[in-house]
Amino acid sequence: KAGVTQTPRYLIKTRGQQVTLSCSPISGHRSVSWYQQTPGQGLQFLFEYFSETQRNKGNFPGRFSGRQFSNSRSEMNVSTLELGDSALYLCASRVYNEQFFGPGTRLTVL
Amino acid sequence: GIQVEQSPPDLILQEGANSTLRCNFSDSVNNLQWFHQNPWGQLINLFYIPSGTKQNGRLSATTVATERYSLLYISSSQTTDSGVYFCAGYNAGNMLTFGGGTRLMVKP
Repeated sequence: KAGVTQTPRYLIKTRGQQVTLSCSPISGHRSVSWYQQTPGQGLQFLFEYFSETQRNKGNFPGRFSGRQFSNSRSEMNVSTLELGDSALYLCASRVYNEQFFGPGTRLTVL
Repeated sequence: GIQVEQSPPDLILQEGANSTLRCNFSDSVNNLQWFHQNPWGQLINLFYIPSGTKQNGRLSATTVATERYSLLYISSSQTTDSGVYFCAGYNAGNMLTFGGGTRLMVKP
């Protein structure tokens, strides 16, 4: 069974731009979660989607949004990028309570 | 307060040595998992261990849920074990909450 995939793997943007990241979960997994990892804040939960509905949301500004499609693939969007948004963005899918992570998208904001 | 706390924050070992990593979690955290983050950033599942003991090769883990801690044992460490180890559990809001990690360096 293929693992969680994320695209793109690396991205460079400038302040003020917007970005969309994509995540495909493990086949059969209906829950997709997004996390941000920075050296200063560690790994922080962004949001979780299940059956196209946002089920949980972490403490991030409204510039961070997401959605999930009927095939369980998910996208995350960050608008009006700030320097502090530079981070590794990780996506995970889960069955019951065990989460499985993708390789991540490394975003650099210049 | 801190919901998931890991110790030690940094650990340097000689190849072949054994080590124990600890994860303390608050009473609002459950369904613990251990991960290894490789140099490329991917989180690799090690154990899903809400309670009890599991073993996988040179690695084993024990969670004592009633005392709110989990231990990860690495025996006969190898240089490929280097990286950051995270424990994580679900908080009261059903969001996976991570500890700060233990950065392990295994020297040849």
